Amino acid sequence: DVKVTQSSRYLVKRTGEKVFLECVQDMDHENMFWYRQDPGLGLRLIYFSYDVKMKEKGDIPEGYSVSREKKERFSLILESASTNQTSMYLCASSPGGVNNSPLHFGNGTRLTVT
Amino acid sequence: DAKTTQPNSMESNEEEPVHLPCNHSTISGTDYIHWYRQLPSQGPEYVIHGLTSNVNNRMASLAIAEDRKSSTLILHRATLRDAAVYYCILQGGSEKLVFGKGTKLTVNP
Repeated sequence: DVKVTQSSRYLVKRTGEKVFLECVQDMDHENMFWYRQDPGLGLRLIYFSYDVKMKEKGDIPEGYSVSREKKERFSLILESASTNQTSMYLCASSPGGVNNSPLHFGNGTRLTVT
Repeated sequence: DAKTTQPNSMESNEEEPVHLPCNHSTISGTDYIHWYRQLPSQGPEYVIHGLTSNVNNRMASLAIAEDRKSSTLILHRATLRDAAVYYCILQGGSEKLVFGKGTKLTVNP
């Protein structure tokens, strides 16, 4: 089974801090994604990556950046955390080359910014 | 991205079949129909997907209308563990999926 592991289940940070959310997948998938999930708004795509060192903006990239130095790892960076970034963050991966391949999600990181 | 419309919530009784509808009237010829579900405190998990023909797997069946403007996810015998939010999503030419708000399924014992 594909495993997508997010480094923290819960995280509490202060406003203005730089925050790193880490995600690792073990199935050699080319594609990786970061979503955030908020009540009433559903899942929204922040950034995704088709390959190492490649990134594409999703629907809500403002206030975030990403890093993909190795194929298995995709990091989401909040340069200066703000309270409106309090949310559940979900990482996902999928194989490349086939545009109907299922996404495999991690169990999420619940980030609280105070 | 083509949009989907699902009821906000549905209820079912344990061990009865459940039919979860999804409308996607603006679907294009190359869009796949995907279903995911999200159990409480977990990330979404893949359920099933299809293009034109009906599909079956160990979790569910997917019935696709002949004109492809709607589809139905069928859980043949609902269990309490099937209580979740179910998302119907169209995937076109890109790898990314755009999630809507889904249908919250409640299963009564």
